[in-house]
Amino acid sequence: QSALTQPASVSGSPGQSITISCTGTSSDVGGYNYVSWYQQHPGKAPKLIIYDVSYRPSGVSGRFSGSKSGNTASLTISGLQAEDEADYYCNSYAGSSTVYVFGTGTKVTVL
Amino acid sequence: EVQLVESGGGLVQPGGSLRLSCAASGFTFRNYWMNWVRQGPGKGLEWVANIKEDGSEKHYVDSVKGRFTISRDNAKNSLYLQMTSLRVEDTAIYYCARDIGGSPGVFNIWGQGTMVTVSS
Repeated sequence: QSALTQPASVSGSPGQSITISCTGTSSDVGGYNYVSWYQQHPGKAPKLIIYDVSYRPSGVSGRFSGSKSGNTASLTISGLQAEDEADYYCNSYAGSSTVYVFGTGTKVTVL
Repeated sequence: EVQLVESGGGLVQPGGSLRLSCAASGFTFRNYWMNWVRQGPGKGLEWVANIKEDGSEKHYVDSVKGRFTISRDNAKNSLYLQMTSLRVEDTAIYYCARDIGGSPGVFNIWGQGTMVTVSS
């Protein structure tokens, strides 16, 4: 049950687009279209921003989008804003025995 | 308002036990899978356990199997996590999280978390 691999940090200037990768295996990310993404501000609980690879929950900004290719999922934040500065985690279903695995987390910094 | 409120955290010695609770309100609790997710100090998120709507199915991360037990009381709209044989590495904020329903592993409602510290 190894954590999915994410870059430790990603940064960008306001208005730019950034992409965060989430790399797993064929037993998790590559095997199912059940990848979700969470945003977590310091001292707060995580917030769901993408589910089932590319779906946005109601109320989540359209600047957030998700995709997947093979064993790697990606989260793209377009038109980066100061409020986007937070930690981001991916999560994938990994089958009935392992169930769920989170990514290592990525700190997004808005320059 | 849909809400999850955890309680029961605290300081416990290695080898000790603790029972966490999560009170749900604002939605039909018995209709959803429920989860515990933890986050060690300065660390990432780790899914810990989940339980089916009627309590008939439970799953655990390997590191807590045999030590932690998840349960629920649908009459009381409450989720529980009984933790025994606690280790220093179990120190974390423990979040209660609700499944979105229909898609596995999508946690759309989270509590504020309760801190568990395992230390001598």
